[in-house]
Amino acid sequence: GAVVSQHPSWVICKSGTSVKIECRSLDFQATTMFWYRQFPKQSLMLMATSNEGSKATYEQGVEKDKFLINHASLTLSTLTVTSAHPEDSSFYICSANRLAGGRTFDNEQFFGPGTRLTVL
Amino acid sequence: AQKVTQAQTEISVVEKEDVTLDCVYETRDTTYYLFWYKQPPSGELVFLIRRNSFDEQNEISGRYSWNFQKSTSSFNFTITASQVVDSAVYFCALSGTGNQFYFGTGTSLTVIP
Repeated sequence: GAVVSQHPSWVICKSGTSVKIECRSLDFQATTMFWYRQFPKQSLMLMATSNEGSKATYEQGVEKDKFLINHASLTLSTLTVTSAHPEDSSFYICSANRLAGGRTFDNEQFFGPGTRLTVL
Repeated sequence: AQKVTQAQTEISVVEKEDVTLDCVYETRDTTYYLFWYKQPPSGELVFLIRRNSFDEQNEISGRYSWNFQKSTSSFNFTITASQVVDSAVYFCALSGTGNQFYFGTGTSLTVIP
């Protein structure tokens, strides 16, 4: 149980195009999902916290107009990289808190397998 | 402030050697959780362990063991009799109130056959 999927697993796009990455909790509901970015040989950096039915909370330095997050249901959050540029090339990982019995299990995040974005 | 420090950037050991990965954390929360994850070249994070701040008992799982010491704010990870398949980047992480995760910079472990 507690599986998180991401689609696509990798994507190559041209500079200036937009790319959408999906994060799904397959066998549980998630009121909160998180988006991380990881550059080569670096740690995971939290980009934003996505709450179902409300606006995402972005970390300092992350452009909310460039990285659009939508959390339209309890099992799906999407990250859209708008007008992507080569410097946006990175590994994007999502995670989700599990909601069960009306309670969100904080401090228990389940991570997706990641999406590798390459912008040419 | 929440912070996780993994001072060891890269470690190389010969197969069958024991290796300890260090993790030091900072937090003002009285209740918090500590984690270790393994990230193989594929990139997917593999969950290894989760400990809460009230449980200082050391834990052993096969060749893996963890030493949690609140007095020194450390949560070290030891692999006994290392194997080539253990080669990966290992991340220590902290989660307190607000349920955000704070990751260390990771330790890249190479096990040489």
